Amino acid sequence: AQSVSQHNHHVILSEAASLELGCNYSYGGTVNLFWYVQYPGQHLQLLLKYFSGDPLVKGIKGFEAEFIKSKFSFNLRKPSVQWSDTAEYFCAAPMFSGGYNKLIFGAGTRLAVHP
Amino acid sequence: EPEVTQTPSHQVTQMGQEVILRCVPISNHLYFYWYRQILGQKVEFLVSFYNNEISEKSEIFDDQFSVERPDGSNFTLKIRSTKLEDSAMYFCASTSVPGAEAFFGQGTRLTVV
Repeated sequence: AQSVSQHNHHVILSEAASLELGCNYSYGGTVNLFWYVQYPGQHLQLLLKYFSGDPLVKGIKGFEAEFIKSKFSFNLRKPSVQWSDTAEYFCAAPMFSGGYNKLIFGAGTRLAVHP
Repeated sequence: EPEVTQTPSHQVTQMGQEVILRCVPISNHLYFYWYRQILGQKVEFLVSFYNNEISEKSEIFDDQFSVERPDGSNFTLKIRSTKLEDSAMYFCASTSVPGAEAFFGQGTRLTVV
């Protein structure tokens, strides 16, 4: 069955540290991938998305992600995190069924950045 | 920027009571969804809705659940007889086309006591 997995459930970093959050997906065919962020008390917001083309995609707030087809991965990176990046991060992919789609989410990674 | 709005932000209800969660999707979107997130667990798909009918529902979406688009703007989720295990954050989302970026509301935290 189609799935999305995130291996880091909790990450604690100091400001200016580099960040990499893992995401793996398990299906073939057309691959669309998303990273969403949920800041405390707020709704899910799109950080970045991959549909096709350049496998290195850049999103908002200095985040980027690299789609590596051979590894079925779409890891999220940021070279230098800030305290304001404290949030929960979700990797997601649409599961196409009968012309419609639903998002399949990873378990989420809770990031805490300390000043 | 257009946004999806949900009301209420918090709802506390007694077990067995009916609740209606409300959502206003982005106005030119055609595909609507409800997801839920039980505390500490992943976001799970509940139901998708297109052209005034359910297009897909998960095994979670049993006969206690229903969705409706009563007018041109609102999209509601009704839980007929709430159970303790229905306590969760419920998110509404909408997209313009399947597979595109989904826009999420801020969620309704439902607590069943």
